[in-house]
Amino acid sequence: ETGVTQTPRHLVMGMTNKKSLKCEQHLGHNAMYWYKQSAKKPLELMFVYSLEERVENNSVPSRFSPECPNSSHLFLHLHTLQPEDSALYLCASSQEVQGAYGYTFGSGTRLTVV
Amino acid sequence: AQKITQTQPGMFVQEKEAVTLDCTYDTSDPSYGLFWYKQPSSGEMIFLIYQGSYDQQNATEGRYSLNFQKARKSANLVISASQLGDSAMYFCAMREGRYTGGFKTIFGAGTRLFVKA
Repeated sequence: ETGVTQTPRHLVMGMTNKKSLKCEQHLGHNAMYWYKQSAKKPLELMFVYSLEERVENNSVPSRFSPECPNSSHLFLHLHTLQPEDSALYLCASSQEVQGAYGYTFGSGTRLTVV
Repeated sequence: AQKITQTQPGMFVQEKEAVTLDCTYDTSDPSYGLFWYKQPSSGEMIFLIYQGSYDQQNATEGRYSLNFQKARKSANLVISASQLGDSAMYFCAMREGRYTGGFKTIFGAGTRLFVKA
């Protein structure tokens, strides 16, 4: 089991559904991230939480809503998505205060919007 | 603005040989960090190696080394003695700011590495 756990691994949802992606880290890190990985496009940063405070990428549509109830958990709430939102959603965590270390990623949630 | 460029969509290497994956970057911040990640077909991103902009020596981690040429703004990944398990996507990434505020890591488009037996 990795230090960052994402559930579910796969999700198929209709455009009118509401669902949530969950991310949990067991590493004691103080920053957590959501990235979107679409086919043939670079990873796109969606949201960052540092010490439970949100630093947001302003280009993310409002149909994506993050929640960070504590430093170990991160959610991405989804509602009225579009087919172009189908992608791999990756959660990551890092320890920011001590310097530029690499991220620890989860295995991702493969989202398909139908 | 930050920018990461990986110009090799795909690379082939014979097992046990070395391979270099190219990465160039652009930033106006004198303080930044460079990273390489591996993404196998399972989807998980695996952190491989880190190079700080002020580090005097090239980073090494086992079979991975980072050829850091600051003046050329390049940070190529060298994998020695390639193994079949090295077949994966490889992403170069950069974050500005060494200690604080540098929460935005940007990624290149990736290079698909195929290791042949």
